[in-house]
Amino acid sequence: GESVGLHLPTLSVQEGDNSIINCAYSNSASDYFIWYKQESGKGPQFIIDIRSNMDKRQGQRVTVLLNKTVKHLSLQIAATQPGDSAVYFCAENMGQAGTALIFGKGTTLSVSS
Amino acid sequence: GAGVSQSPRYKVAKRGQDVALRCDPISGHVSLFWYQQALGQGPEFLTYFQNEAQLDKSGLPSDRFFAERPEGSVSTLKIQRTQQEDSAVYLCASTRRGEAGTDTQYFGPGTRLTVL
Repeated sequence: GESVGLHLPTLSVQEGDNSIINCAYSNSASDYFIWYKQESGKGPQFIIDIRSNMDKRQGQRVTVLLNKTVKHLSLQIAATQPGDSAVYFCAENMGQAGTALIFGKGTTLSVSS
Repeated sequence: GAGVSQSPRYKVAKRGQDVALRCDPISGHVSLFWYQQALGQGPEFLTYFQNEAQLDKSGLPSDRFFAERPEGSVSTLKIQRTQQEDSAVYLCASTRRGEAGTDTQYFGPGTRLTVL
């Protein structure tokens, strides 16, 4: 699988590999973190979220890890497929409804078959 | 089910023209957000509504930008005397609740505004 320790703007993987996308968030008081997938010409699509009282959450083929000590968030995609090709953004907020999301720098994931 | 819809999907304006962008949130959603996304960047917050009340407009870049949600459902973002730097994708998002607590923001497809 492909692993990236620091944020990189692009990540290229082979179909079937595991992908890891990293994100550093800015506000230590943030309570809620979300990963979005954005395909070309579309709006961001919710993938998975996590609260600050958790350090790991799993979904279907995706896992989000949260390290509050170093303010780091990662998204792991298992068995990456060509349909996973998109730009991935992490976002944070204070965890209260009505507070805006602050988006990180996106990572463009390219999956080749 | 129906998601967030936005219209028009594409808008080309001459510098100095006024434009109006529409957002239809998910039915029953209390909160509505507008974001601006420049090319190659993540979305940036513009303004927030809870029902018809505009509770936060701190992200609006200038007084040329105005948003409204008069009946607590459909929202319109208006940009007066458009400038080239206004060229971006304008995204709308809605959430079910308005009270405190985490709540997923669901985004529409966006309106791509190009100012010539």
